Amino acid sequence: SYVLTQPPSVSVAPGKTARITCGGNNIGSKSVHWYQQKPGQAPVLVIYYDSDRPSGIPERFSGSNSGNTATLTISRVEAGDEADYYCQVWDSSSDLPWVFGGGTKLTVL
Amino acid sequence: EVQLVQSGAEVKKPGESLKISCKGSGYSFTSYWIGWVRQMPGKGLEWMGIIYPGDSDTRYSPSFQGQVTISADKSISTAYLQWSSLKASDTAMYYCAGGGATKVSPADAFDIWGQGTMVTVSS
Repeated sequence: SYVLTQPPSVSVAPGKTARITCGGNNIGSKSVHWYQQKPGQAPVLVIYYDSDRPSGIPERFSGSNSGNTATLTISRVEAGDEADYYCQVWDSSSDLPWVFGGGTKLTVL
Repeated sequence: EVQLVQSGAEVKKPGESLKISCKGSGYSFTSYWIGWVRQMPGKGLEWMGIIYPGDSDTRYSPSFQGQVTISADKSISTAYLQWSSLKASDTAMYYCAGGGATKVSPADAFDIWGQGTMVTVSS
């Protein structure tokens, strides 16, 4: 089955830019979605189809996808962005085609 | 309002059965896949399985096949996740997710999430 690899943790100072990667074999050929999960809350979609933002998500959140890596970029990071972030794709060759990455804990220093 | 509302927290003993629910409203419940996601304490999100309420097409992750049953009653816009014999290792938060992926566009994102149902299994 298809595997998505994320770094367990990323740390960034307030006001700086955070980049969270999601690696997968030829992931650039797939559509990647990103979810944010704050402690004690359900996940929330923050980026869909690689780089689109749902309504209500700040422009500071952006995404890209090419080759074997997709990236979620958070500009001008705020304390409220501290959360776990998960990438997700649909892979038709997997037993259950919907796949999550392992998640990345974003810490705002 | 578009939403998925899950049933409340449960405390069960090992060996007991359980069925939790996820009720959709504000959108066409039968037109979108509804998935069940497990999150064990301090861990990441895991797809357990998914159902298309329109025709009850159901898929399971190999890790959960035979361990749980996913069903839906489209007449009341509700999906279910059930266990016949719980184990302590089933202790987790369970989320339902939907509103995005369809039969025509299965790669769409899941933009509606339930609030989660905490299941605790302890003797």
